[in-house]
Amino acid sequence: DIVMTQSPDSLAVSLGERATIYCKSSQTVLLSSNNKNYLAWYQQKPGQPPKLLIYWASTRESGVPDRFSGSGSGTDFTLTISSLQAEDVATYYCQQHYRTPQTFGQGTKVAIK
Amino acid sequence: QVQLVQSGSELKRPGASIKVSCKASGYRFAGFAINWVRQAPGQGLEWMGWINTSTGKPTYAQGFTGRFVFSLDTSLGTAYLQISRLRAEDTAVYYCARDTQWLDRGLDFWGQGTLVGVSS
Repeated sequence: DIVMTQSPDSLAVSLGERATIYCKSSQTVLLSSNNKNYLAWYQQKPGQPPKLLIYWASTRESGVPDRFSGSGSGTDFTLTISSLQAEDVATYYCQQHYRTPQTFGQGTKVAIK
Repeated sequence: QVQLVQSGSELKRPGASIKVSCKASGYRFAGFAINWVRQAPGQGLEWMGWINTSTGKPTYAQGFTGRFVFSLDTSLGTAYLQISRLRAEDTAVYYCARDTQWLDRGLDFWGQGTLVGVSS
């Protein structure tokens, strides 16, 4: 199975500041035939289901604010919140869907400093 | 609009069975796969597997074979998760979530979750 490791486990950022979350996969999730990374990012608030933010490592889902961006390729990926808002307090998960079983990172909890 | 609506929370005794439903609306049911994801209390997300809604073929992750069954009623646009011989460690929120049939775009719509409690 592909193991997804996120860092840090938690972080606290001041309102308006940048938050950066890292995700590393134990194997590549880049499909060379179409140059797509099968890596998604989700946001989960307490008591709610996860919400898809980013797919193909850097494509923002419709309706997601542009302060959320994804980058990276192969095995190393980043989710950046450029200017943290109060409503961004949540746990964030990366997920690879390159190979079954699909696997998630352990989650990163984002709080306001 | 796209919606996945799941059945309500349940409390069961160890050894019992449960069937969780996930009713889809707002899109062509057979055009998208249904995935199942488990979240134990205070824990992260665990992918259980998926079912191709066009062919009905289920695929299970390791650890979810034997007692777990994915099924469909395409006439109702509904997917089901059945768990037999429930154990305390099955206590969790179970989510259904949609993806393409090629599982290539991420889980774009989720059900609200069904809390299953197992306790004597």
